[in-house]
Amino acid sequence: SQTIHQWPATLVQPVGSPLSLECTVEGTSNPNLYWYRQAAGRGLQLLFYSVGIGQISSEVPQNLSASRPQDRQFILSSKKLLLSDSGFYLCAWSWNSPYEQYFGPGTRLTVT
Amino acid sequence: TQLLEQSPQFLSIQEGENLTVYCNSSSVFSSLQWYRQEPGEGPVLLVTVVTGGEVKKLKRLTFQFGDARKDSSLHITAAQPGDTGLYLCAGATGTASKLTFGTGTRLQVTL
Repeated sequence: SQTIHQWPATLVQPVGSPLSLECTVEGTSNPNLYWYRQAAGRGLQLLFYSVGIGQISSEVPQNLSASRPQDRQFILSSKKLLLSDSGFYLCAWSWNSPYEQYFGPGTRLTVT
Repeated sequence: TQLLEQSPQFLSIQEGENLTVYCNSSSVFSSLQWYRQEPGEGPVLLVTVVTGGEVKKLKRLTFQFGDARKDSSLHITAAQPGDTGLYLCAGATGTASKLTFGTGTRLQVTL
């Protein structure tokens, strides 16, 4: 069966510090991978998605970036965090149509 | 830009009551999914509907896809406290490798 891991689970970082969140998927190959951000009690904002190694599509222009160095690894990064980067970050994977998505446990990021 | 509007945004009911959540768009989707999310966790897929007019039942939950594939509804019969959570609909188009998520409906079921 497939499993998806995210770490860390929680993170508190000062403004201006760098960020690296990691997501890995097990039990499947060549998945579509996604990064979302969720404000408290709200819907999901798609940040990046990838349909293959080195292929990254950005949905929202901001100071975040994503990379996919391996087939089942997806990394979300920032060089300098802003207060507005605080939120709940979710990684998900899917196969192709109908693109049913399976989410990781999330990372709670607080920028202070 | 495709938008999925959910209503109501928040619903507080007592155990045993029935409820319906709506998901509406002006866009046509090739499929539509419903997820439930509990606080501090990732959303969990409940169901996928792909055919206009399709109805799927999952125990006390009934999902319907509109005939024109622009809208969907989720009906819960005899709600229980375990149904509490954030319900999200999400639509897929045939050309993009991504979903459009709805604005979410927060359901609270009390004893």
